[in-house]
Amino acid sequence: QQQVKQSPQSLIVQKGGISIINCAYENTAFDYFPWYQQFPGKGPALLIAIRPDVSEKKEGRFTISFNKSAKQFSLHIMDSQPGDSATYFCAALFTGGGNKLTFGTGTQLKVEL
Amino acid sequence: GAGVSQTPSNKVTEKGKYVELRCDPISGHTALYWYRQSLGQGPEFLIYFQGTGAADDSGLPNDRFFAVRPEGSVSTLKIQRTERGDSAVYLCASSSVPAETQYFGPGTRLLVL
Repeated sequence: QQQVKQSPQSLIVQKGGISIINCAYENTAFDYFPWYQQFPGKGPALLIAIRPDVSEKKEGRFTISFNKSAKQFSLHIMDSQPGDSATYFCAALFTGGGNKLTFGTGTQLKVEL
Repeated sequence: GAGVSQTPSNKVTEKGKYVELRCDPISGHTALYWYRQSLGQGPEFLIYFQGTGAADDSGLPNDRFFAVRPEGSVSTLKIQRTERGDSAVYLCASSSVPAETQYFGPGTRLLVL
């Protein structure tokens, strides 16, 4: 059972454009939703995270939008740059359950010049 | 050290052999996690340590997998009688307390021939 579904699988965006990646979760016990960025040969690095008591969080060019009733959340990358080309993973966690992360399947983003 | 380190970075072994993968967490971090990432997939939780004890090992796929953290710092993931299906990147993460922000190491790429 895939508890966190992520789309699209891959995404190509022009430099300066907006990249949007979507995730949906099933377990309503999840109470923390991070996004990780992973470059080839590296481990995932935390990018930004949100809790379900807010609908939006912005850090620089990165914004998470959260819809609790729909059990969906998304990552928006504004002014996308070639250096943003990486694989992005959404994840979810239940802080009362040992903090084990449940990851989506990943989105491979390529930002073209 | 500045971050989570994992050794070896790559390991090639033959089916049926025993392997050990090592994780050095960020100094002072009490929580340590192991995840497994198959090609093209998100990381999957294996086991979580709080201090020296395994607080949650529900993600270990079978009894060929075992992990220890005898002094509450370095952890070793042990795989007996390796199978080709064990080939993956094994990621380690740590956090200061059982917390949402988990810092990942670069992973060990295991290939079972």
